[in-house]
Amino acid sequence: KQEVTQIPAALSVPEGENLVLNCSFTDSAIYNLQWFRQDPGKGLTSLLLIQSSQREQTSGRLNASLDKSSGRSTLYIAASQPGDSATYLCAAPHDAGNMLTFGGGTRLMVKP
Amino acid sequence: EAGVAQSPRYKIIEKRQSVAFWCNPISGHATLYWYQQILGQGPKLLIQFQNNGVVDDSQLPKDRFSAERLKGVDSTLKIQPAKLEDSAVYLCASSWTSNTEAFFGQGTRLTVV
Repeated sequence: KQEVTQIPAALSVPEGENLVLNCSFTDSAIYNLQWFRQDPGKGLTSLLLIQSSQREQTSGRLNASLDKSSGRSTLYIAASQPGDSATYLCAAPHDAGNMLTFGGGTRLMVKP
Repeated sequence: EAGVAQSPRYKIIEKRQSVAFWCNPISGHATLYWYQQILGQGPKLLIQFQNNGVVDDSQLPKDRFSAERLKGVDSTLKIQPAKLEDSAVYLCASSWTSNTEAFFGQGTRLTVV
């Protein structure tokens, strides 16, 4: 059974800082790993999907890396902005059915 | 491209009542998921469909929850009877196949009083 953990649970940083969000998973036999953003009262917005054959994916100021052997993924946010404030969730598939198992999320606040 | 549509956005019911949620996935997406997200937690998968067949419903409380995806497109999730602990946001997601990028709807916020 896949288990996903995210550290830290909450993070507050001043605007302009570079930051790293961590995600760990127990079953390394995954097809992909996906990072999402969730604003309060909203659904999830897909940020990045990394295939198992890839090491990283980049989208604008976001960079996600994947290390299957160690069961870890990181989301790097460069030059953070107040608009980046949200909860960030990572999700990894659950065995052969590929059902996404989510971590508890990291609540990010970027202060102006 | 239209996203995943869900309705209603909000629902308040008394315990022991029944409630139904509706989801319309992105056109052409074969895989559809229902998730339950309790406040402060990550979403928990309830059920996954591939077209109109159930792939996994191992985490669905079948004594009170049911879901169907007739014709392999829209889906409904029902709770009967509802309990206080069912208060949560119910999220629907879809993807082309089971191992491609998943897209989520806005969710339905259920409050059971």
